[in-house]
Amino acid sequence: QEHLVQSGAEVKRPGSSVRVSCKASGGTFSSFAISWVRQAPGQGLEWMAGFIPVFGSIMYAQKFQGRVTLSTDESTGTAYMQLSRLTPEDTAVYFCRGGSYRDDTFDVWGRGTLVIVSS
Amino acid sequence: DVVMTQSPLSLAVTLGQPASISCRSNQSLVYSDRNIYLNWFQQRPGQPPRRLIYKVSDRDSGVPDRFSGSGSGTDFTLKISRVEAEDAGVYYCVHGTHWPPPLTFGPGTKVDIK
Repeated sequence: QEHLVQSGAEVKRPGSSVRVSCKASGGTFSSFAISWVRQAPGQGLEWMAGFIPVFGSIMYAQKFQGRVTLSTDESTGTAYMQLSRLTPEDTAVYFCRGGSYRDDTFDVWGRGTLVIVSS
Repeated sequence: DVVMTQSPLSLAVTLGQPASISCRSNQSLVYSDRNIYLNWFQQRPGQPPRRLIYKVSDRDSGVPDRFSGSGSGTDFTLKISRVEAEDAGVYYCVHGTHWPPPLTFGPGTKVDIK
């Protein structure tokens, strides 16, 4: 079964940006929709944005519009989420989630990337 | 916007006993294709969420059959027929599918095993 492998933890200064990667173990996102979900320490889950790499279709939660940039490297089967203008409130574990955009029959998550924003 | 609520927010269950979590939405979740994309996720400490149930009552591959989902319209339920130690964690009801987004998460129900 497909796995999603995320990049390692990051520590960032307020006002900077972070880029988190999510690599498909099968090497391609050809039939995937990818979502990014975050979880602040001790808190619930929050959807940030989603896209279909093969079509370039992207949707953002209004809260993150203008601060989140999604991209992919098709050659390596890697998706990226960049979050800019970081504040301490962005300290969270960031998850990528994947599944077919055609149906709902499978669901796979990366293990999460901890991003700490601190001065 | 869709808002999901859950009850209870925490639950202590004796090993081997049943457990039930309710989820309610503030509006009908029937989608344009007539499906209801209501999911249940389990999250153990330090782990990513794991989907257990999708489209109200379909179990994901590898999910034990002691987990079942039901409901319609705006009211949904996750039931665990006989709780096991490994079932401890937080359970989220979630509205949405892979495409189009968004995903709307409930607040979570923390399940402890006695």
